[in-house]
Amino acid sequence: EVQLVESGGGLAKPGGSLRLSCAASGFIFSASGMNWVRQAPGKGLEWVSSISSGSSHIYYADSVKGRFTISRDNAKNSVYLQMNSLRAEDTAVYYCARGDGPTGRAPMGDWGQGTLVTVSS
Amino acid sequence: VVLTQSPAALSLSLGERAILSCRANQSVSNFLAWFQQKPGQAPRLLIYDASNRATGIPDRFSGGGSGTDFTLTINSLEPEDLAVYYCQQRSNWPLTFGGGTKVDIK
Repeated sequence: EVQLVESGGGLAKPGGSLRLSCAASGFIFSASGMNWVRQAPGKGLEWVSSISSGSSHIYYADSVKGRFTISRDNAKNSVYLQMNSLRAEDTAVYYCARGDGPTGRAPMGDWGQGTLVTVSS
Repeated sequence: VVLTQSPAALSLSLGERAILSCRANQSVSNFLAWFQQKPGQAPRLLIYDASNRATGIPDRFSGGGSGTDFTLTINSLEPEDLAVYYCQQRSNWPLTFGGGTKVDIK
């Protein structure tokens, strides 16, 4: 059974930083592209970032480019999202999603339950 | 790519058919997926590449279309189909989602 467990969310001040983690199990992690998708309270889904299976291809939404960094450790079956220079508009539930393939553009077949990030002074 | 979903909300009776639309402002070929998000839950993949059901998805869910116009059809609505449905394209970066269609059961 595929499991994706996000952690690291919480309260941060504007301009602050947080590092999200997603621990994966139940599939060959090193063969899957991984994604972060967020959802602001009461709003729709917004893609944030993708990383291919071997980390060779990385993509970001314009809204987070230069502030967020995605990375993965295939030995630890984990993907990360380092979030710097946080803004109020980054407040959202952040989901980790597995791609059904090695690229960052594969269909997002499995999702974690999400971790809430709140940016407020 | 901007994805526009319609209608924004849909209220139907049990057993009725729901037809949801997703329109792209440029061709995405068949690289379109549909997700279901029930209240308080993470999204779940229903359909990928326009018409392929994901593993474990009941056959009352079907997808169609290509290029710029896509539909998700839910035949014979059941109580558990109450949810928001999102389309998403993976043809071009950045990946984008539609604004969602909320399906309510009368």
